[in-house]
Amino acid sequence: DSGVTQTPKHLITATGQRVTLRCSPRSGDLSVYWYQQSLDQGLQFLIQYYNGEERAKGNILERFSAQQFPDLHSELNLSSLELGDSALYFCASSVDPGYYEQYFGPGTRLTVT
Amino acid sequence: AQTVTQSQPEMSVQEAETVTLSCTYDTSESDYYLFWYKQPPSRQMILVIRQEAYKQQNATENRFSVNFQKAAKSFSLKISDSQLGDAAMYFCAYRSSIQGAQKLVFGQGTRLTINP
Repeated sequence: DSGVTQTPKHLITATGQRVTLRCSPRSGDLSVYWYQQSLDQGLQFLIQYYNGEERAKGNILERFSAQQFPDLHSELNLSSLELGDSALYFCASSVDPGYYEQYFGPGTRLTVT
Repeated sequence: AQTVTQSQPEMSVQEAETVTLSCTYDTSESDYYLFWYKQPPSRQMILVIRQEAYKQQNATENRFSVNFQKAAKSFSLKISDSQLGDAAMYFCAYRSSIQGAQKLVFGQGTRLTINP
């Protein structure tokens, strides 16, 4: 158990819908990363937050957004869902951006039908 | 942009034997980190081993060791005395040390099968 929690574990929804994925980092970790794992694209970095502020952006679609709240938990919002958004979404956390190790949560499996 | 390449989509090995997984990467940076992650059927991403680019000594963690060739931009993982529990997808990953660029860049993965 990495100490990073993600909810829900599984999510099934229809095209065009909007969903929110939640992540709670390890106690004391200030930095949160979101990754997407799909068959087509492999594991890709989406976005990073540090202490509530966006720090880096990767291949994140405009339909996707994220935020980190004062209690340091983070949410990834996915809207106007398409079949191709079906993937495993991981959250990872680290003490700060400079720390080498990122601890991964168990992931949220999103299925868009 | 940095890229990571794993040229072996699948590998198999007999239990108790040794197997080596290959990884190459491309970067213009001199200071960075390299990692091997294991993803078993549970889908959990588990850090196996890390290597700091400034260290010449190859990292070792129990049965897992790496061969880090900085000039060749090569970072292979050797698993000794393979066990059934080692069966998983293995991902090689690169992480810059530059502030604002500390995301992990992953290779496509190698599926490792252990034959009893």
